[in-house]
Amino acid sequence: GENVEQHPSTLSVQEGDSAVIKCTYSDSASNYFPWYKQELGKGPQLIIDIRSNVGEKKDQRIAVTLNKTAKHFSLHITETQPEDSAVYFCAAISNMLTFGGGTRLMVKP
Amino acid sequence: DGGITQSPKYLFRKEGQNVTLSCEQNLNHDAMYWYRQDPGQGLRLIYYSQIVNDFQKGDIAEGYSVSREKKESFPLTVTSAQKNPTAFYLCASSIDLLNEQFFGPGTRLTVL
Repeated sequence: GENVEQHPSTLSVQEGDSAVIKCTYSDSASNYFPWYKQELGKGPQLIIDIRSNVGEKKDQRIAVTLNKTAKHFSLHITETQPEDSAVYFCAAISNMLTFGGGTRLMVKP
Repeated sequence: DGGITQSPKYLFRKEGQNVTLSCEQNLNHDAMYWYRQDPGQGLRLIYYSQIVNDFQKGDIAEGYSVSREKKESFPLTVTSAQKNPTAFYLCASSIDLLNEQFFGPGTRLTVL
């Protein structure tokens, strides 16, 4: 089955800086890659996704990039704000959704 | 107002008691899932269901049971056989197994 690795497990940045979270996947048949944000004590919420026919997608301060050849994809958050502090999960779908281990992002004011 | 709900938000039980967690969705999704999350950890799949009256074990099914008698509902029973049941439990649903999942708010279970 699919295996998704996510790095780093924790990330601390200063407010206004950029944050990058990287994921790799094992199944070349995977064709859909969502990203989730989980705030403390809540369920994860989908924030952005990308399909395998697209190399990059942007939504305001967040963007995702996908490199199918290398089988890795990344989440980029620019101009970070304290409310971006949360746990972020990447995921990949081949026969079903498989999550990465999560990244705890801390944005220091 | 469509969505996925879990109740209660907090649940306390004595050791040795079975407890059932509720999950309801009105999104008309065929697939539903249960995950367990321990502090500072990721999501581990307990059970999933592709369609009514069908469900499959996930990675950590031991000590848990589910039913899927209605499309909208996917209750999870934590049995006394689960050695360490204290955790945050998340329910999710999706159109099918190949699309994004929508999560409920979670139930925090504490076994005393």
